Formats: sequence, structure tokens, C-alpha cells
Amino acid sequence: TQLLEQSPQFLSIQEGENLTVYCNSSSVFSSLQWYRQEPGEGPVLLVTVVTGGEVKKLKRLTFQFGDARKDSSLHITAAQPGDTGLYLCAGVGTDSNYQLIWGAGTKLIIKP
Amino acid sequence: NAGVTQTPKFQVLKTGQSMTLQCAQDMNHEYMSWYRQDPGMGLRLIHYSVGAGITDQGEVPNGYNVSRSTTEDFPLRLLSAAPSQTSVYFCASSYLGWGQPQHFGDGTRLSIL
Repeated sequence: TQLLEQSPQFLSIQEGENLTVYCNSSSVFSSLQWYRQEPGEGPVLLVTVVTGGEVKKLKRLTFQFGDARKDSSLHITAAQPGDTGLYLCAGVGTDSNYQLIWGAGTKLIIKP
Repeated sequence: NAGVTQTPKFQVLKTGQSMTLQCAQDMNHEYMSWYRQDPGMGLRLIHYSVGAGITDQGEVPNGYNVSRSTTEDFPLRLLSAAPSQTSVYFCASSYLGWGQPQHFGDGTRLSIL
């Protein structure tokens, strides 16, 4: 069974600080998606990474897929209160089901 | 531009009652899926469908039934509600498969007393 572990589970920082959220596995994924979820809403896709070593930027958010496609990170520069939310990673498995494997999420709070 | 619509938004049931959670999408997506979200456990797949007339079980299917008679609709039925089914339920759809962006509804918050 493929698993995705996210860390930290919870992070509370001041506005303007930098942070990194990690999504790790011992298994290879064909691609990995990052979502943000706000209270009372469903997750919304931020980015998909497909190639090992790939780096994608979305304004102040930088996403990286590990060279071996087993891990990914999300780095936020100069965090703002609007970045507050639950960040979820999801990998497309390479076993027979090819289903999405979800991490448990990182709850991020940015204090003004 | 509705996307994925879930009804109801909130529901309280008594143990043993049955109910159907509705999910409809207007994007002509083939893949549809139902998840439950519990604190600290992320999203767990209940059932999914790769097209009208085709459904399959996910990670936690026990106590739930689904059917897919049209491309647009994918209802989730709780057969006999149990307190362990208290959760937030999300319906999602995607165009061609798991590697494509998943579009989620806003969820149904369900409490079983």
C-alpha cells in the first residue's frame, strides 16, 4: 500500500515569515498534486508536478517534486494571512489501482 | 458555472436511519468519486465511478452504496447510519482520471446521533 506522509501536521507563524511543508513517501508516484482547502469548502487544486526534479512557482508558492518522484515540498515566501488553510498533497499511485493517495494535510495559520 | 454541487450541506440523522447524499456536476466529467474527511486522517475514498453504469469500491466502502445512471449524477446512499459515519463528505469529479485536476463540491457535514 502506498502512503504519503505530510509534515508538519500544524504550523502557526507570523505574517512575513517563510515556511516549507513536506510530503514524503517510500513509494514512487507518477505525478503529485497540491491542494488548498479553506473552512467549509472543498479542496482546490494549486499545482500538479509530473517530472522528477520539477519546480513550479505560483506567485509566492514554490512546489518541487523530488528527483526520484517519492517526495514533494511546498515553500511559501513571505507568508500572508490569505495563505491560511489546509494544504493537502495527493499522489497518483503506480500500483494496480492507479488511485489518488492523499496525505493527511498540513493546517497552516498565518497571524497578522 | 456551477461545477460540482452537493446537497444537503448539513444533516443530522439518528442511528439506523438511511439517507442519500446528492452530487451533480455540469462539466461532463467521466470520473466521479466520494470521499470522507475526518480530522487528522485526510481524504479517504469511499466509492468511485469511471463512467455511467460503472462503479467500484474505494478504501472505506462498508455501509455505503452508489450508482451512476447518468454522467452528471453520483448519489451516495447510507444504508443504516452509524455514529462512526459522522464525517464531512466530499464529492469530486475529473475529466479523464486520477492524474487530472479533481474538482470538489463544498461538502456535506453529516452527524449521526
